[in-house]
Amino acid sequence: DTVMTQSPATLSVSPGERAILSCRASQSVDINLAWYQQKAGQAPRLLIYRASIRATGIPARFSGSGSGTEFSLTISSLESEDFAVYYCQQYNDWPPSLTFGGGTKVEIQ
Amino acid sequence: VQLVETGGSLNQPGGSLRLSCAASGFTVSSNYMAWVRQAPGKGLEWVSVIYSGGNTFYADSVKGRFTTSRDQSKNTLYLQMNSLRAEDTAMYYCARGIVVASDDAFDVWGQGTMVTVSS
Repeated sequence: DTVMTQSPATLSVSPGERAILSCRASQSVDINLAWYQQKAGQAPRLLIYRASIRATGIPARFSGSGSGTEFSLTISSLESEDFAVYYCQQYNDWPPSLTFGGGTKVEIQ
Repeated sequence: VQLVETGGSLNQPGGSLRLSCAASGFTVSSNYMAWVRQAPGKGLEWVSVIYSGGNTFYADSVKGRFTTSRDQSKNTLYLQMNSLRAEDTAMYYCARGIVVASDDAFDVWGQGTMVTVSS
């Protein structure tokens, strides 16, 4: 199974600053990668799929990039509601073995 | 469009439990659906998927113990959990595969139902 590794585990950022989150796959997942946001006590929310396509209703300050084994999620200017935990998920394996990264917590500096 | 999970409870090791996920605003049997769990304070773990054609796949950690099914008449997804273990303790979410693309990403999630396995 493909192992997904996210870094850093915690990112301390001030509102208005840019945040860059990384996700690495143990083998190529092509562009079959999604990003989710999860706030405390809530279900995950899809932000990005196919590595770079924003899901419906997701603000333009969220952008995804990468292919193969290296991916990133960029939040261009952090707003108060963006402080949360972010997960990447690959969906390239067949038979399906959908694996998530361990998450990056974005906290207020 | 909404998903509502029910059925979570406190269970003894070795016990069984069935979770339900009722959908509204779309048809479960026409969509790719999944169960994802999250142990307390931990990250997300995929549990199972069911494709619109009915094929199901499971994580190794639950294979042979959990079964995913659906009832078209009730527009509901189920997760039958047998031989429960302490490590199955988690919040269980059902989720719908994104409909605007063929990707195995999930754009609608329920609020989750908590399963605790303890003696």
